[in-house]
Amino acid sequence: KAGVTQTPRYLIKTRGQQVTLSCSPISGHRSVSWYQQTPGQGLQFLFEYFSETQRNKGNFPGRFSGRQFSNSRSEMNVSTLELGDSALYLCASTLQGRDTGELFFGEGSRLTVL
Amino acid sequence: DAKTTQPPSMDCAEGRAANLPCNHSTISGNEYVYWYRQIHSQGPQYIIHGLKNNETNEMASLIITEDRKSSTLILPHATLRDTAVYYCIVRVANTDKLIFGTGTRLQVFP
Repeated sequence: KAGVTQTPRYLIKTRGQQVTLSCSPISGHRSVSWYQQTPGQGLQFLFEYFSETQRNKGNFPGRFSGRQFSNSRSEMNVSTLELGDSALYLCASTLQGRDTGELFFGEGSRLTVL
Repeated sequence: DAKTTQPPSMDCAEGRAANLPCNHSTISGNEYVYWYRQIHSQGPQYIIHGLKNNETNEMASLIITEDRKSSTLILPHATLRDTAVYYCIVRVANTDKLIFGTGTRLQVFP
C-alpha cells in the first residue's frame, strides 16, 4: 500500500510569506505527527493530530500551526516566514497514535526561505 | 522529556557487526526506545524498538540494559548500504512524540 505522501517536495519562499504543507497518511492511519529537521537543531517534534484534534504540541512559536481533516490528511502552516524556518519538514503516521508500533515517515517537504 | 546521547560518528568494516551505543539515563519507565536511520535526508526509516527486553528483527538487534539507562543497536553484518545516520529515540508515553538525539553517522567501508 502507498506510504506517507508529502507535498510539495520542494519549495522556495521569501521572508514574510506563509507556506502550507500537506501530508497524506497511510490508508487507515488516523494519527499524524510533524517534525522539523534543521542542521542546527536536528529533528524536533512540532505537533501531533488524531481524529482532527491536536493532542500534543512541541516548543515552537505560534507562527507554526496545523490541522487534520476528517479523512486524516493533515496540513501545517507557517506564517511570516523567517530565514530560520528553512528546513526539511517531515510527517509521520500511525494507525491510531499512542500505540507502541512504528511511526511511518514521509520523504519530507524541503522549504527554503530567502 | 528524556534525552538521548550518541557518539557523533563510527566506522565499521563491511561484513562485520556494527554496535551503536546510546545513553538515555532519564528515560521514564513507560517510555520506549526506538531506532531509526536516515539516508541522504530522506525520511527516517524504522529499524527496531523496545521497552525493557532485548529485541531482534530482520534488520537488527536491540540490547537494553537492565536499568534502561542505555541501549545498543547491533547490525549483525553491516553492508555499504547501511551507511546512514542512526538515531536513538525516546518515544514519550502515550503519544506519537519522538525525541530524537543528534544521531551517529555510521560509515561502512569495504
